[in-house]
Amino acid sequence: DAGVIQSPRHEVTEMGQEVTLRCKPISGHNSLFWYRQTMMRGLELLIYFNNNVPIDDSGMPEDRFSAKMPNASFSTLKIQPSEPRDSAVYFCASSFFGAMGYTGELFFGEGSRLTVL
Amino acid sequence: QQQVKQSPQSLIVQKGGIPIINCAYENTAFDYFPWYQQFPGKGPALLIAIRPDVSEKKEGRFTISFNKSAKQFSLHIMDSQPGDSATYFCAASIDRGSTLGRLYFGRGTQLTVWP
Repeated sequence: DAGVIQSPRHEVTEMGQEVTLRCKPISGHNSLFWYRQTMMRGLELLIYFNNNVPIDDSGMPEDRFSAKMPNASFSTLKIQPSEPRDSAVYFCASSFFGAMGYTGELFFGEGSRLTVL
Repeated sequence: QQQVKQSPQSLIVQKGGIPIINCAYENTAFDYFPWYQQFPGKGPALLIAIRPDVSEKKEGRFTISFNKSAKQFSLHIMDSQPGDSATYFCAASIDRGSTLGRLYFGRGTQLTVWP
């Protein structure tokens, strides 16, 4: 089975440019999470969706960041304009929560390494 | 504010040793405590998890010890191997309500196991 698929795997861009990161969750999963990982701050939750609806975006650092999930099989994280401090590895993860509700296993993609010059 | 505090930041052991990674939390509403393992260039992957109705859970060489009164839990790796060298993250969540599925991660522990 295909896991969580992220693209691009690596992105190098210049300050001020728009960056779009993409994620395809595991089929059948109903929750999707965007994390950012840096040496200084570890794994930070940016935003998460349940059934395509954003539940908590309090981790989104600034208005420069936005995320969408137009359908159950696709999500984007956009940074506009990008800044050098946005350089990090961005992970997408998905999970399934049944009717009874429980924290199931989070399946992470391999990440998108972003470098903003 | 870090909801889950993890220590140590890094750990080096010899092959066969028993590294122990500790985590502490304050929110008594947390009721699910997983550990994730991350290899370089990869995303974290679930290793083992525990709920507060038990004090210990073992899967292979990996054991979680849970102390509800102290609000602490730890990961023990028995007979550690060089292949266990990775970054380990503890996490916690509340398994109900609007925050269902929202994991709070510790800062991670980089484990190196020397041959």
